[in-house]
Amino acid sequence: GQNIDQPTEMTATEGAIVQINCTYQTSGFNGLFWYQQHAGEAPTFLSYNVLDGLEEKGRFSSFLSRSKGYSYLLLKELQMKDSASYLCAVKDSNYQLIWGAGTKLIIKP
Amino acid sequence: ETGVTQTPRHLVMGMTNKKSLKCEQHLGHNAMYWYKQSAKKPLELMFVYSLEERVENNSVPSRFSPECPNSSHLFLHLHTLQPEDSALYLCASSQARGEHYGYTFGSGTRLTVV
Repeated sequence: GQNIDQPTEMTATEGAIVQINCTYQTSGFNGLFWYQQHAGEAPTFLSYNVLDGLEEKGRFSSFLSRSKGYSYLLLKELQMKDSASYLCAVKDSNYQLIWGAGTKLIIKP
Repeated sequence: ETGVTQTPRHLVMGMTNKKSLKCEQHLGHNAMYWYKQSAKKPLELMFVYSLEERVENNSVPSRFSPECPNSSHLFLHLHTLQPEDSALYLCASSQARGEHYGYTFGSGTRLTVV
């Protein structure tokens, strides 16, 4: 079966750096997405990786290794507003999005 | 505001009620989706409409019935629901189903079945 694994919850301190990992086993691969979802709000697009390597966008970066079935989202200079759930999703060979259960990130002062 | 609007935001209904969830997108997308989001579980794809074609997840009970009258509007009709159907129901849209297109989500309808 298809599977996306990510930690259920992580805690970090304001101003620090945190890395949220995602491993996947899917039938085919057509890209990996990271979404941010604040409580009670819509998930919003953060990043997309289809080739190996690091994609940087401001304080957020996303890394992909297709051979290892692995990605991470790196958040720098953490702010209280970064407290949210972070969802990892992979598009399989049928272009269907397979979702992880999300990682709840708690930022402490 | 993401460009995908869902109403109502909150809904409490009895098991014998009939209600409908509405989703509207003004992004010019041609694919729309219904997802169920339960606590600590992955998003569950329920239904997809793409270029007038409906793709259905066979595991969705018949008490959920989608309707897509045009490319901008999507409904989810609910009847005789069960308490385990209580969840956040998210609508999303995308430019197309293929390639690298991500989804734009609405804020969801928080459904409670009593």
